[in-house]
Formats: sequence, C-alpha cells, structure tokens
Amino acid sequence: ETGVTQTPRHLVMGMTNKKSLKCEQHLGHNAMYWYKQSAKKPLELMFVYNFKEQTENNSVPSRFSPECPNSSHLFLHLHTLQPEDSALYLCASSQSGGSDEQFFGPGTRLTVL
Amino acid sequence: GIQVEQSPPDLILQEGANSTLRCNFSDSVNNLQWFHQNPWGQLINLFYIPSGTKQNGRLSATTVATERYSLLYISSSQTTDSGVYFCAVGTGGFKTIFGAGTRLFVKA
Repeated sequence: ETGVTQTPRHLVMGMTNKKSLKCEQHLGHNAMYWYKQSAKKPLELMFVYNFKEQTENNSVPSRFSPECPNSSHLFLHLHTLQPEDSALYLCASSQSGGSDEQFFGPGTRLTVL
Repeated sequence: GIQVEQSPPDLILQEGANSTLRCNFSDSVNNLQWFHQNPWGQLINLFYIPSGTKQNGRLSATTVATERYSLLYISSSQTTDSGVYFCAVGTGGFKTIFGAGTRLFVKA
C-alpha cells in the first residue's frame, strides 16, 4: 500500500448504529487530519492530530470521536449519527503540520438512514 | 477567520481550450495548495505554492502572496481535466481552509 488509505470506502448505517472509519498513511508523516465534505459545501476540517496528540477540534459534535493510536493510524468512531451527517469523510496526512503539504486518502462515503 | 473565494464557480470548456482559475484569500497565508477532485472523490495534489510560480505539464500556478491571490492555469484542456478544483490555505497552526471550488467540465 502506498500513500493514504481509508476503509471502508462506502458505509450505510442507521442512526442507532456504531461504526468506525479507519485511515492509514504510509508516508512517514506525523500529522493526520479528518475532513468532512457535504454536498454543496466546502471541505470542513474536523480534527487534527500531530505526533498522536489532538491539536484541533473544530467544534465537532461528540457523536464523532477520533482516535490516533500512532502516527500512522487514525480512526473516527461514529455513534448515534443524524441523516445530516451523511457526507464524504476524507483523511489526510502531512509531514508535521502547519504549513506542510497535505496528502489525502480516497474518502469514505457515509450514508446515515 | 480567513475567507477563501474561488472563481468562477462553474466553467465549461471545449477540449483544447485554455483557462484560468482564481483563488482570493483575505489574510496572509503560510501555505497554499491546489487540488483536483476527481468524480470518485479523490483529492489529487496539483501544487503546493505559498508563493511564486510552478509548472507541471499543461498546468501551472502562480501565487502572489502580497496581493492575496493565486491563479491556476490549465492549457490545452482535456476531458480528463473535468472535476472540481480546490484552493486550500493555511495561516499557521494546523487549520486549513478550503475554498468552495471551481467545477470544470471539458467537452469533447
């Protein structure tokens, strides 16, 4: 595997389900990001981790819970989501953070019924 | 916070035509990237260009940081250039702000 990978690529879940999105980067980077892309809206930064420490939480509802066990892996745990949470969730990584170039995974397209 | 505006919002080109996409930002930035999002949602890095000019094949980009804008040039457009082009800026720390994008359709 190269670059940034995300699983699953597609996910359909009910509002009472619990699921997790996984991101893995093979670039030797230290910073990882979660973004949300809703229809007709710009990409929105959700969370940033740098050297496994959370550095940004962009006022994201608590039904989204990130986890970064090491610099290569990032998870987004989902529970009791709403239909408006349906979106494309994108993971990215960069060498450290701040002004570094970011590289994106292919995304997970989430549908909440 | 910083505002990022992209223009035009939509663009239709005949194959072979040239185009210029613009990104304006409201404050100083320490990084700027251009991305192409393909129909499957993948964001592809085009340029990392906080200042200056870069070229990669038929694409080139110029950022004039002092005047707070960046331009992406596409020459001899091809149908595979279709998709959405995003500009993203960072102002320090870890926040990255994306513009709303320019949706490009290239007709054969």
